[in-house]
Amino acid sequence: DTAVSQTPKYLVTQMGNDKSIKCEQNLGHDTMYWYKQDSKKFLKIMFSYNNKELIINETVPNRFSPKSPDKAHLNLHINSLELGDSAVYFCASSHGLAGVETQYFGPGTRLLVL
Amino acid sequence: DAKTTQPNSMESNEEEPVHLPCNHSTISGTDYIHWYRQLPSQGPEYVIHGLTSNVNNRMASLAIAEDRKSSTLILHRATLRDAAVYYCILRAPTLLIWGAGTKLIIKP
Repeated sequence: DTAVSQTPKYLVTQMGNDKSIKCEQNLGHDTMYWYKQDSKKFLKIMFSYNNKELIINETVPNRFSPKSPDKAHLNLHINSLELGDSAVYFCASSHGLAGVETQYFGPGTRLLVL
Repeated sequence: DAKTTQPNSMESNEEEPVHLPCNHSTISGTDYIHWYRQLPSQGPEYVIHGLTSNVNNRMASLAIAEDRKSSTLILHRATLRDAAVYYCILRAPTLLIWGAGTKLIIKP
């Protein structure tokens, strides 16, 4: 059983399209995250949700909108895709927000915008 | 702004100890120091974390400087499977600062 799963694993699309990436965790965690990893391997937090409430909302374009229908799911919708959105997107979860909490990562979604 | 600084890459021989440094001079009193590693084409995985005291677990040890402005991840006997990018992170409830990572190369 996969603890944190993401779909799709690969996503190839044209500029201007709208796409969604889904994330589910079966660990019973309260907190979920989206990260972006660029071609230079920098990992940057985009959003975090705790009990479906937005906690961290880093400076990302408004075209990116997270949605948390329940504590086990955090989806990422991207409007009007641009070339620069090409990256690997990782979902993660943790028991809670505290600094001591460990994050568990999904396998990543590799997005390529043509 | 808080940040962490790590060397871009390090090399080590197999079965020798490895010391991976991280500077975090702007750390706040309540920020935890976490280390994660990322194997090729995988998501990051947790290695170890600490606040003030040195920590040991089955994967590694974490040595934290007395002023907390730097830390060192210690792999006691590196194997080929430890070849990965190692990230040093500062973590607080509304803070997640990831370093650029150190690519660890293990030579057989």
